[in-house]
Amino acid sequence: ETGVTQTPRHLVMGMTNKKSLKCEQHLGHNAMYWYKQSAKKPLELMFVYNFKEQTENNSVPSRFSPECPNSSHLFLHLHTLQPEDSALYLCASSQDPQIRGQAAGEKLFFGSGTQLSVL
Amino acid sequence: LAKTTQPISMDSYEGQEVNITCSHNNIATNDYITWYQQFPSQGPRFIIQGYKTKVTNEVASLFIPADRKSSTLSLPRVSLSDTAVYYCLVGDIVGRGSTLGRLYFGRGTQLTVWP
Repeated sequence: ETGVTQTPRHLVMGMTNKKSLKCEQHLGHNAMYWYKQSAKKPLELMFVYNFKEQTENNSVPSRFSPECPNSSHLFLHLHTLQPEDSALYLCASSQDPQIRGQAAGEKLFFGSGTQLSVL
Repeated sequence: LAKTTQPISMDSYEGQEVNITCSHNNIATNDYITWYQQFPSQGPRFIIQGYKTKVTNEVASLFIPADRKSSTLSLPRVSLSDTAVYYCLVGDIVGRGSTLGRLYFGRGTQLTVWP
């Protein structure tokens, strides 16, 4: 248990469906992230939120829409996805180190992911 | 971001010590070296992090030579449950804007431990 909980664990959806992935962290962190991991590919950073504000959108298609209502919750809204969007979607959180000298041991805490299949 | 190079795969047997070396020739002064472990269908898990010399925790040791152009993750007496992908990440993790998220995971090293 990493303190980051993702639901659902598995999701199968059609290309015309709308669904949402949920992530919740119980660690008091100030930053949350969405990653995509396709089969045999490196982890791809999708979105970054720092203190509820989106600080990075890594050229992600608009069919993926993130939402961060507070620093503990993160959503990824999905609509009109394509089969190539099938992947493991991972949420992570961190206490963003902002002072040099205090960074040692800073780390990303990942959830177990949502395995998404788009039919 | 500093580019890292690590072996695609490694094999070992239970009880042996495993050393995975990562090359990062263009590491910058402010960069830290971090290692993560990932099991199938799970998120990566932090193992160890260092800046220079040697770092040891309950799971592993990290050896960093003086020039910091490489690092070696050492796993003592591996077991079957250590079979996983191991990622070496190098980057400046301090600063505003959640810089941790910009660390590049790459393809990692698939470690397979045999009985």
